[in-house]
Order: sequence, then C-alpha cells, then structure tokens
Amino acid sequence: QITLKESGPTLVKPTQTLTLTCTCSGFSVTTSGVGVGWIRQPPGKALEWLTLIYWNDDERYSPSLKNKLTITKDISKNQVVLTMTNVDPVDTATYYCVHLNYASGTYEFDNWGQGTLVIVSS
Amino acid sequence: QAVLTQPASLSASPGASASLTCTLRSGFDVGTYRIYWYQQKPGSPPQYLLKYKSDSDTQLGSGVPSRFSGSKDASANAGILLISGLQSEDEADYYCMIWHNSASVFGTGTTLTVL
Repeated sequence: QITLKESGPTLVKPTQTLTLTCTCSGFSVTTSGVGVGWIRQPPGKALEWLTLIYWNDDERYSPSLKNKLTITKDISKNQVVLTMTNVDPVDTATYYCVHLNYASGTYEFDNWGQGTLVIVSS
Repeated sequence: QAVLTQPASLSASPGASASLTCTLRSGFDVGTYRIYWYQQKPGSPPQYLLKYKSDSDTQLGSGVPSRFSGSKDASANAGILLISGLQSEDEADYYCMIWHNSASVFGTGTTLTVL
C-alpha cells in the first residue's frame, strides 16, 4: 500500500525559506517508473502543480515557480524534500505530496498525501 | 487566461447525468492531449478518476465506478467528464489536468452540486 506523508512548518514568515518533507512508504523513490511531486492548493482555490522528481533524479518544475523551487531525494530515508525560497503570503496553501505512476506510459498522480497547510504571515 | 478553463459550478439532480467540460486555451489542441480527471471532496485530498485521450485510449482509476467516463468535443476544443446516474456522493470539486512540455497543468475546477 502506497502512502505519502507531508511534514514541515505550519507558519513561515515572508522572505523565509520553506522546507517540506514527504515520507514515502509502500514503494521506493528509486524504483523505475516512479515519480514523486508536489502540488499545492490555496484556501478555496484550484490545484497548482509545482514540481516532480523521477526515479532517475530527473527534475521538472512549474515554469512560473522554477526560480523559487528545489526538489531533492533522500534515498536513505525514502523521502522527497521541497524547498521554496523567499516565500510570500500568496504561497499560503495546502501542500500535497503525490506519487506518479508512469510505468504504463501514462502519467497520473495515483496516490496523494493528506496535505499540510502552510501559512505565510509575519 | 488559464490553459484549462472549467465552469466554476454545475448543478444536477440525483439519477441524472452531468457533463463537466474542460476547455483548452487557443493554441492547445485537445486532440493531442491525454486529459486526466480528479475528484476532490471537502477536507480531503484529490483522488484520481480517469484518463482519456480517445475511445481506444482511456482508463478508469482503480476502484472508480463505471458511471464515470471521459470524452472530447473537438469542435469546442474541450475534454469532458461524464457522470451518469448521479449520486449524492458525487458532490465534489472536479479538476482536469494535462501534461504540456513535461509540466503538469490543472484546470480551474468545477464544483458539482447534486440536488
């Protein structure tokens, strides 16, 4: 059974750096055909895809946010880490960690974490 | 203008069918994209429903009822999520998604009310 659990601070001050961790279980982040990504959702608003890291360390970023984001893997802990620099109140959102299964040749986010709410405020 | 535009809301009666549209911005040809659909109920993360590129290239997610299906309207440059035999449990937000240049793009979302 695949599960993903997000962890990190609930409150961050503007201009600070946000670090969120996704702890994965039921699969390995190094398994061929697997990706782990981050998607966020501001309160009452739509989903926004942020970034994705594939099993082979290939990284993809939202074009509008690529200068703010870094995604990495900690293989020893089977975790994926999102770093967002210079946060702003508009970055207030629930951040979801997602599992991408593309072994079949299509790219769906088939498993989602419960999400973690991050508030950016001074 | 958003890449994927969805009606903000839609209402339908129990037992009826609902057609949720996902219109692609000019310059994005619906025929070339596989459309993914997700359902989100209040207080929960989204869940994957299905993917649709053509009638021969479509698949429901694991455990998703066959009441859910996908299609396209090429004349409107839109993807469509069809839900038949609406049930109260179908009341949720629905998002479409595509992959474009190796990046994922979500639609603006539709709130479906079953009443």
